[in-house]
Amino acid sequence: GENVEQHPSTLSVQEGDSAVIKCTYSDSASNYFPWYKQELGKGPQLIIDIRSNVGEKKDQRIAVTLNKTAKHFSLHITETQPEDSAVYFCAATSGTSYGKLTFGQGTILTVHP
Amino acid sequence: NAGVMQNPRHLVRRRGQEARLRCSPMKGHSHVYWYRQLPEEGLKFMVYLQKENIIDESGMPKERFSAEFPKEGPSILRIQQVVRGDSAAYFCASSRTQGAGEKLFFGSGTQLSVL
Repeated sequence: GENVEQHPSTLSVQEGDSAVIKCTYSDSASNYFPWYKQELGKGPQLIIDIRSNVGEKKDQRIAVTLNKTAKHFSLHITETQPEDSAVYFCAATSGTSYGKLTFGQGTILTVHP
Repeated sequence: NAGVMQNPRHLVRRRGQEARLRCSPMKGHSHVYWYRQLPEEGLKFMVYLQKENIIDESGMPKERFSAEFPKEGPSILRIQQVVRGDSAAYFCASSRTQGAGEKLFFGSGTQLSVL
């Protein structure tokens, strides 16, 4: 089955800096890659996603890149703010059901004011 | 437009008791997924249900765990004879369909603690 590795496990940045989180996946058939933000005591919230026919996608301060050949994808957050502090999860799926996701282990992002 | 609703938020059970977790999907969503999150780990898929049907239960433990999504009412994840290792956060998610382009929306979870 699919295996998703996520790095780093913790990331600390100063407000205004950029943050990058990287994930690799094992199943070359994977075709959908969402990113979720989870705040303490809450469920994961979808922040951006990308499909295998696209190499990059941006939404304001957030961008995701996908390299299908290398089987890795990354989340980029620019101009970080303290409210960006949370746990971020990448995920991948290759099935016909986009809801059956394989998640990475998570990255704890801390943005210092 | 309410999101995915889960209850209870916190559930405490003693070893050997039963735990019942409830999930009401977003309005208009007929696909429900259950995930389990152990401390400091990512979410693990458990089961995928549509109304009255279990579509994929490949992530469910073979014993003590069951799930249903009846025609009327919420989806239920049932854990019989709980053990300490069942302590975790259980998240429910829903989607409108299962096709390309459909996004998954998560509830706030149920934190199960087994004493």
